[in-house]
Amino acid sequence: DVKVTQSSRYLVKRTGEKVFLECVQDMDHENMFWYRQDPGLGLRLIYFSYDVKMKEKGDIPEGYSVSREKKERFSLILESASTNQTSMYLCASSFSGIGQYFGPGTRLTVT
Amino acid sequence: RKEVEQDPGPFNVPEGATVAFNCTYSNSASQSFFWYRQDCRKEPKLLMSVYSSGNEDGRFTAQLNRASQYISLLIRDSKLSDSATYLCVVASNTGNQFYFGTGTSLTVIP
Repeated sequence: DVKVTQSSRYLVKRTGEKVFLECVQDMDHENMFWYRQDPGLGLRLIYFSYDVKMKEKGDIPEGYSVSREKKERFSLILESASTNQTSMYLCASSFSGIGQYFGPGTRLTVT
Repeated sequence: RKEVEQDPGPFNVPEGATVAFNCTYSNSASQSFFWYRQDCRKEPKLLMSVYSSGNEDGRFTAQLNRASQYISLLIRDSKLSDSATYLCVVASNTGNQFYFGTGTSLTVIP
């Protein structure tokens, strides 16, 4: 069974704090993704990575950065959290052409 | 124009009914297609891939129409446990980018 884990299920941070969200997959997938999901807007891609140290911007990269130093690990960084980054963050991984597998999500609240 | 469009519903159907969802996509070069299921406050889970020849998994049937650029999901003999949001997903021709529809909400009523 594919397993994608995320470092926290729930997180509360203050405006201006630096936030790290970590994602680990155990299936040797080359592709990893970070999305946010908001009511009425669906899933929106923030960044993805198709190899170690490689990253590509998604649809809404502003305010975020990512790091992929090891194949199994993909980190999302909010350099200075803002209230409009309150959301559900979902990590996913895949082989090319095969469906994605998602982690359980991190519900981030920025106050 | 959105890459993937779905009717958001909601669909409210009685137990035992047959329900169908459609989804259209804009990029004719897309190669891979999927249906995902998402329960409330949970992550999306891969329900089934969609192949050109159509495919069936128990009560679920998925079909692809490349000429008209749409995919469909048919659920027969609906169960209460089928209540969820169903997401249509289309992968790019490189296979490493995925485009999600906003989802169709299904509630199966006793």
